[in-house]
Amino acid sequence: RKEVEQDPGPFNVPEGATVAFNCTYSNSASQSFFWYRQDCRKEPKLLMSVYSSGNEDGRFTAQLNRASQYISLLIRDSKLSDSATYLCAVTYNDMRFGAGTRLTVKP
Amino acid sequence: NAGVTQTPKFQVLKTGQSMTLQCAQDMNHEYMSWYRQDPGMGLRLIHYSVGAGITDQGEVPNGYNVSRSTTEDFPLRLLSAAPSQTSVYFCASSYSSGGKKTQYFGPGTRLLVL
Repeated sequence: RKEVEQDPGPFNVPEGATVAFNCTYSNSASQSFFWYRQDCRKEPKLLMSVYSSGNEDGRFTAQLNRASQYISLLIRDSKLSDSATYLCAVTYNDMRFGAGTRLTVKP
Repeated sequence: NAGVTQTPKFQVLKTGQSMTLQCAQDMNHEYMSWYRQDPGMGLRLIHYSVGAGITDQGEVPNGYNVSRSTTEDFPLRLLSAAPSQTSVYFCASSYSSGGKKTQYFGPGTRLLVL
């Protein structure tokens, strides 16, 4: 079983839609949690950290459920520019990534 | 700051050839790591380093060597390239603050092994 698992998608949604991604992790001792965004043929870039109490950054909301060992990312009012692959990342001694969920936002 | 830089951007090798992928960061980060990214597999950790002189293996270390003689540089060596090592390689560096590790990636090296 992979340490970090994500639904690969793809998710195809219209502009303005709300879309949610989930990510599960296997190591209950994991300490930090992140969402990264990766555009085609580019490096991953940090989108947001995920805090235990949940956190919001504009249209993006991240949540952590330690009991069930999953993190989530909610994108509201999707824009065309949100089209990308979203990677969750979990750290213990090192950082491990999920395979990514591909999102396409269509006009 | 240039951030994390990687060279070369692209490389084609023949099976059995050796090469070194270069990675440098100017942010004085202690932690550096190498990942490979393959379709459907996501980012897989190859090796990492928590500081100069200290390295450790990640998920997929076989076929790769690393060293960390300075804080700034973390080269990845392929001693005898194999087609299975065709991939995109990302170097990353990170710092810890408040118990959280924030990681920054270089632009990647695309490697094709024939």
